[in-house]
Amino acid sequence: EAGVTQFPSHSVIEKGQTVTLRCDPISGHDNLYWYRRVMGKEIKFLLHFVKESKQDESGMPNNRFLAERTGGTYSTLKVQPAELEDSGVYFCASSQLSGGKQETQYFGPGTRLLVL
Amino acid sequence: TQLLEQSPQFLSIQEGENLTVYCNSSSVFSSLQWYRQEPGEGPVLLVTVVTGGEVKKLKRLTFQFGDARKDSSLHITAAQPGDTGLYLCAGRSGGSRLTFGEGTQLTVNP
Repeated sequence: EAGVTQFPSHSVIEKGQTVTLRCDPISGHDNLYWYRRVMGKEIKFLLHFVKESKQDESGMPNNRFLAERTGGTYSTLKVQPAELEDSGVYFCASSQLSGGKQETQYFGPGTRLLVL
Repeated sequence: TQLLEQSPQFLSIQEGENLTVYCNSSSVFSSLQWYRQEPGEGPVLLVTVVTGGEVKKLKRLTFQFGDARKDSSLHITAAQPGDTGLYLCAGRSGGSRLTFGEGTQLTVNP
């Protein structure tokens, strides 16, 4: 069974440009999460989809970030316009069960974003 | 804002030594998870503890959840070079979002 995949693996853009990150969850997983780790900090939650609906987007840093999951399959995270502080590693995770104590989130390899 | 303080941040030991990594918070968590992350990959779940005082063992790794469910520890016995990696604790307190610690970078030298 294929794991969570993310594309691209790396992205280097200039400040002010737009970047779109893609996540393909494990097939059949209704829950999809985005997390981010900026340099020297812990991994932080961004948002949670249940199928195509945003269940919790309280971690989104500002309105330059837009996440979508049309059709409830893959998800995209767009940053527009990108700022220097957006640099970091963006992780996607998916799971079958939501909210349970034993829920297992499976993480993708991450997209390393560098904004110059 | 819930925080998980993980210590130490870096740990370099010789093969065969024992070590303990700590994860502490002032907040109560309904469950606490430990992950291991390799370079270029995402975190991989090692264990979930849900009951205060719970102890789980995974080969040479022992995980403990504090009685008050505010802290946890990971103990590795007779560390091996293959144990080298980034160890992360993450807590959940209702809902699905995970709160992560900053991680402990462990290096086991042969």
